[in-house]
Amino acid sequence: DGGITQSPKYLFRKEGQNVTLSCEQNLNHDAMYWYRQDPGQGLRLIYYSQIVNDFQKGDIAEGYSVSREKKESFPLTVTSAQKNPTAFYLCASRLTLNTGELFFGEGSRLTVL
Amino acid sequence: QQQVKQSPQSLIVQKGGISIINCAYENTAFDYFPWYQQFPGKGPALLIAIRPDVSEKKEGRFTISFNKSAKQFSLHIMDSQPGDSATYFCAASDYGGATNKLIFGTGTLLAVQP
Repeated sequence: DGGITQSPKYLFRKEGQNVTLSCEQNLNHDAMYWYRQDPGQGLRLIYYSQIVNDFQKGDIAEGYSVSREKKESFPLTVTSAQKNPTAFYLCASRLTLNTGELFFGEGSRLTVL
Repeated sequence: QQQVKQSPQSLIVQKGGISIINCAYENTAFDYFPWYQQFPGKGPALLIAIRPDVSEKKEGRFTISFNKSAKQFSLHIMDSQPGDSATYFCAASDYGGATNKLIFGTGTLLAVQP
Protein backbone atom coordinates (compact mmCIF):
# COMPACT_ATOMS: atom_id res chain seq x y z
CA ASP A 1 0.00 0.00 0.00
CA GLY A 2 1.22 3.47 -0.83
CA GLY A 3 1.66 5.89 1.99
CA ILE A 4 3.89 7.76 4.38
CA THR A 5 5.69 5.98 7.20
CA GLN A 6 6.94 7.91 10.18
CA SER A 7 9.12 6.45 12.90
CA PRO A 8 9.36 6.22 15.77
CA LYS A 9 5.76 6.79 16.82
CA TYR A 10 6.84 7.78 20.34
CA LEU A 11 10.21 9.14 21.38
CA PHE A 12 11.60 10.37 24.66
CA ARG A 13 14.79 12.34 24.93
CA LYS A 14 16.71 14.21 27.55
CA GLU A 15 17.34 17.90 27.29
CA GLY A 16 20.41 18.73 25.26
CA GLN A 17 20.15 15.73 22.98
CA ASN A 18 19.53 15.82 19.25
CA VAL A 19 16.94 13.43 17.86
CA THR A 20 16.09 12.46 14.29
CA LEU A 21 12.58 11.60 13.13
CA SER A 22 12.25 9.42 10.05
CA CYS A 23 9.81 9.97 7.19
CA GLU A 24 9.57 7.66 4.18
CA GLN A 25 7.04 7.81 1.36
CA ASN A 26 6.36 5.41 -1.51
CA LEU A 27 3.88 7.64 -3.32
CA ASN A 28 6.50 8.92 -5.78
CA HIS A 29 5.79 12.46 -4.59
CA ASP A 30 8.26 15.23 -5.28
CA ALA A 31 7.24 17.53 -2.43
CA MET A 32 7.63 16.67 1.23
CA TYR A 33 6.85 18.64 4.38
CA TRP A 34 7.33 18.64 8.12
CA TYR A 35 4.70 20.14 10.41
CA ARG A 36 4.58 20.59 14.14
CA GLN A 37 1.27 20.24 15.99
CA ASP A 38 0.66 21.70 19.42
CA PRO A 39 -2.70 21.82 21.22
CA GLY A 40 -4.69 24.89 20.20
CA GLN A 41 -2.14 26.00 17.61
CA GLY A 42 -2.98 23.96 14.57
CA LEU A 43 -0.27 22.76 12.22
CA ARG A 44 2.80 24.90 11.71
CA LEU A 45 5.23 24.35 8.85
CA ILE A 46 8.83 23.59 9.85
CA TYR A 47 10.54 22.75 6.55
CA TYR A 48 9.54 21.67 3.08
CA SER A 49 11.29 20.22 0.06
CA GLN A 50 10.15 20.30 -3.53
CA ILE A 51 12.89 18.08 -4.94
CA VAL A 52 15.91 16.01 -3.95
CA ASN A 53 18.78 18.03 -2.47
CA ASP A 54 16.58 21.10 -2.07
CA PHE A 55 14.67 22.27 0.98
CA GLN A 56 13.28 25.53 2.33
CA LYS A 57 12.55 26.87 5.80
CA GLY A 58 8.96 27.09 6.84
CA ASP A 59 7.47 29.33 9.51
CA ILE A 60 9.18 27.79 12.55
CA ALA A 61 12.50 26.34 11.32
CA GLU A 62 14.70 27.50 14.21
CA GLY A 63 16.18 24.55 16.11
CA TYR A 64 15.40 22.06 13.35
CA SER A 65 17.33 20.66 10.39
CA VAL A 66 16.43 18.42 7.46
CA SER A 67 18.00 16.62 4.54
CA ARG A 68 16.63 15.29 1.27
CA GLU A 69 19.16 12.90 -0.20
CA LYS A 70 16.55 10.57 -1.66
CA LYS A 71 13.15 11.28 -3.15
CA GLU A 72 11.50 8.89 -0.72
CA SER A 73 13.08 10.17 2.48
CA PHE A 74 12.90 13.46 4.39
CA PRO A 75 14.28 13.07 7.93
CA LEU A 76 13.87 15.83 10.51
CA THR A 77 16.45 16.46 13.24
CA VAL A 78 15.27 18.24 16.35
CA THR A 79 18.39 19.84 17.76
CA SER A 80 19.21 20.89 21.29
CA ALA A 81 18.73 24.48 20.10
CA GLN A 82 14.97 23.95 19.85
CA LYS A 83 13.68 25.56 23.04
CA ASN A 84 10.39 23.71 23.32
CA PRO A 85 10.66 20.47 21.35
CA THR A 86 7.89 18.46 23.02
CA ALA A 87 5.22 18.16 20.31
CA PHE A 88 3.52 15.96 17.75
CA TYR A 89 5.45 15.99 14.47
CA LEU A 90 3.76 15.27 11.16
CA CYS A 91 5.38 14.49 7.84
CA ALA A 92 3.42 15.05 4.64
CA SER A 93 3.91 14.74 0.93
CA ARG A 94 2.34 16.00 -2.25
CA LEU A 95 2.73 15.17 -5.92
CA THR A 96 4.53 18.47 -6.51
CA LEU A 97 4.71 21.76 -4.64
CA ASN A 98 1.72 23.05 -6.61
CA THR A 99 -0.39 20.01 -7.40
CA GLY A 100 -2.18 17.20 -5.71
CA GLU A 101 -3.62 16.43 -2.34
CA LEU A 102 -1.49 16.71 0.78
CA PHE A 103 -1.07 13.29 2.43
CA PHE A 104 0.06 12.97 6.04
CA GLY A 105 1.86 10.28 7.94
CA GLU A 106 0.63 9.10 11.33
CA GLY A 107 2.99 11.32 13.26
CA SER A 108 5.74 11.05 15.82
CA ARG A 109 5.23 12.23 19.38
CA LEU A 110 8.41 13.61 20.93
CA THR A 111 8.63 14.18 24.65
CA VAL A 112 11.62 15.90 26.21
CA LEU A 113 12.19 14.86 29.81
CA GLN B 1 -2.87 38.36 6.30
CA GLN B 2 -1.67 34.80 6.26
CA GLN B 3 -3.85 33.66 9.15
CA VAL B 4 -6.87 31.43 9.00
CA LYS B 5 -9.13 31.89 12.01
CA GLN B 6 -11.20 28.88 13.06
CA SER B 7 -14.05 28.61 15.53
CA PRO B 8 -15.23 27.16 17.80
CA GLN B 9 -12.26 25.57 19.54
CA SER B 10 -14.46 22.70 20.70
CA LEU B 11 -17.97 21.53 19.96
CA ILE B 12 -20.33 19.02 21.50
CA VAL B 13 -23.22 17.79 19.38
CA GLN B 14 -25.89 15.17 19.97
CA LYS B 15 -26.09 12.20 17.63
CA GLY B 16 -28.17 13.14 14.60
CA GLY B 17 -27.53 16.85 15.02
CA ILE B 18 -25.71 19.29 12.75
CA SER B 19 -22.10 20.23 13.47
CA ILE B 20 -20.95 23.60 12.14
CA ILE B 21 -17.35 24.81 12.12
CA ASN B 22 -16.41 28.21 10.77
CA CYS B 23 -13.24 29.67 9.27
CA ALA B 24 -12.26 33.12 8.09
CA TYR B 25 -9.30 34.34 6.06
CA GLU B 26 -7.79 37.66 5.00
CA ASN B 27 -5.60 36.89 2.00
CA THR B 28 -7.67 37.38 -1.15
CA ALA B 29 -5.11 35.37 -3.12
CA PHE B 30 -6.26 32.18 -1.40
CA ASP B 31 -8.14 29.99 -3.85
CA TYR B 32 -8.14 26.52 -2.34
CA PHE B 33 -9.91 25.68 0.90
CA PRO B 34 -9.63 22.12 2.22
CA TRP B 35 -10.91 20.59 5.44
CA TYR B 36 -8.94 17.89 7.22
CA GLN B 37 -10.17 15.33 9.75
CA GLN B 38 -7.82 13.99 12.42
CA PHE B 39 -8.48 11.13 14.81
CA PRO B 40 -6.45 10.86 18.04
CA GLY B 41 -2.90 9.65 17.45
CA LYS B 42 -3.27 9.79 13.67
CA GLY B 43 -2.30 12.21 10.95
CA PRO B 44 -4.89 14.49 9.35
CA ALA B 45 -6.69 13.24 6.24
CA LEU B 46 -8.36 15.34 3.56
CA LEU B 47 -12.11 15.34 4.07
CA ILE B 48 -13.43 17.76 1.46
CA ALA B 49 -12.14 20.82 -0.41
CA ILE B 50 -13.59 23.74 -2.33
CA ARG B 51 -12.41 26.29 -4.88
CA PRO B 52 -13.93 29.79 -4.82
CA ASP B 53 -15.77 29.39 -8.11
CA VAL B 54 -18.60 27.61 -6.26
CA SER B 55 -20.50 28.59 -3.12
CA GLU B 56 -21.17 25.10 -1.84
CA LYS B 57 -19.79 21.59 -2.19
CA LYS B 58 -21.40 18.50 -0.74
CA GLU B 59 -19.97 15.03 -0.24
CA GLY B 60 -22.27 12.71 1.62
CA ARG B 61 -23.04 14.22 5.03
CA PHE B 62 -20.26 16.81 4.71
CA THR B 63 -20.86 20.20 3.09
CA ILE B 64 -18.58 23.19 2.65
CA SER B 65 -20.27 26.57 2.34
CA PHE B 66 -18.13 29.36 0.90
CA ASN B 67 -18.77 33.10 1.07
CA LYS B 68 -16.16 34.86 -1.05
CA SER B 69 -17.27 38.42 -0.25
CA ALA B 70 -17.14 37.77 3.49
CA LYS B 71 -13.93 35.70 3.16
CA GLN B 72 -15.49 32.94 5.21
CA PHE B 73 -16.10 29.25 4.74
CA SER B 74 -17.67 26.63 6.92
CA LEU B 75 -18.02 22.89 7.32
CA HIS B 76 -21.43 21.41 8.04
CA ILE B 77 -21.75 17.81 9.18
CA MET B 78 -25.32 16.63 8.84
CA ASP B 79 -26.72 13.77 10.93
CA SER B 80 -23.58 13.79 13.07
CA GLN B 81 -22.44 10.38 14.32
CA PRO B 82 -20.19 9.33 17.22
CA GLY B 83 -17.67 8.16 14.58
CA ASP B 84 -17.37 11.76 13.44
CA SER B 85 -15.76 12.66 16.77
CA ALA B 86 -12.37 14.02 15.77
CA THR B 87 -10.41 17.23 15.36
CA TYR B 88 -11.22 19.21 12.23
CA PHE B 89 -8.85 21.67 10.60
CA CYS B 90 -9.66 24.16 7.92
CA ALA B 91 -6.89 25.39 5.67
CA ALA B 92 -6.29 27.79 2.80
CA SER B 93 -3.68 28.34 0.13
CA ASP B 94 -3.07 30.00 -3.19
CA TYR B 95 -3.24 26.87 -5.30
CA GLY B 96 -1.24 28.17 -8.21
CA GLY B 97 1.22 30.16 -6.12
CA ALA B 98 4.97 29.70 -6.03
CA THR B 99 5.02 27.67 -2.86
CA ASN B 100 1.34 26.90 -2.43
CA LYS B 101 1.76 26.63 1.32
CA LEU B 102 -1.30 25.51 3.20
CA ILE B 103 -2.17 27.76 6.13
CA PHE B 104 -4.06 25.82 8.78
CA GLY B 105 -6.64 26.95 11.29
CA THR B 106 -6.16 26.07 14.95
CA GLY B 107 -8.55 23.13 14.88
CA THR B 108 -11.95 22.23 16.34
CA LEU B 109 -12.39 19.26 18.62
CA LEU B 110 -15.78 17.73 17.85
CA ALA B 111 -17.46 15.33 20.23
CA VAL B 112 -20.69 13.67 19.09
CA GLN B 113 -22.60 12.24 22.01
CA PRO B 114 -24.64 9.06 21.49
